[in-house]
Amino acid sequence: GAGVSQSPRYKVAKRGQDVALRCDPISGHVSLFWYQQALGQGPEFLTYFQNEAQLDKSGLPSDRFFAERPEGSVSTLKIQRTQQEDSAVYLCASSQTGGLNYGYTFGSGTRLTVV
Amino acid sequence: QQQVKQSPQSLIVQKGGISIINCAYENTAFDYFPWYQQFPGKGPALLIAIRPDVSEKKEGRFTISFNKSAKQFSLHIMDSQPGDSATYFCAASKSYNTDKLIFGTGTRLQVFP
Repeated sequence: GAGVSQSPRYKVAKRGQDVALRCDPISGHVSLFWYQQALGQGPEFLTYFQNEAQLDKSGLPSDRFFAERPEGSVSTLKIQRTQQEDSAVYLCASSQTGGLNYGYTFGSGTRLTVV
Repeated sequence: QQQVKQSPQSLIVQKGGISIINCAYENTAFDYFPWYQQFPGKGPALLIAIRPDVSEKKEGRFTISFNKSAKQFSLHIMDSQPGDSATYFCAASKSYNTDKLIFGTGTRLQVFP
């Protein structure tokens, strides 16, 4: 596709509910990142995939957060037993790989509100 | 531990004026410094970026100034326009696009006619 697509755009979850957030990266982009952006803050790194391999998950805040990219394209970020502190915008970004960093293309994000 | 510090938190500029946003980093392994622009409800979009082998980079009305010894870099927006009103984030990472970006806390810019 022309850009990074994320769905849903908005998600309201009751505390304790499980949620799944989807990211469709730009076609052919090997690298895929997930970031969490709290209100009024900069994005914070969650996890990184190169194709289907999750090479860095150091930013995942707890074991309730899980991400996968089984076929090296679409990725899903799953949050189990959601808590109020999970409320944030979840951003996905993709880039080509194999060379110098020329920046990532971000999607518009999924705004998660836990009530 | 915050590795990229950004100031000011908010900035109000009159149309035609110069907007200046500053960032400082700690990790000397960083050597790629982009600026992102974010409008409400949208993801960040790459605006301009610099590597430490140059001290300045200009693209249209946007200029990055880089001071490697001070570990500081700044964004200058010349002839600021109301359409520039957005939140700006500086970021830093290592060279390769397998490396995560570390973002500053953002500057909300408002440009009034």
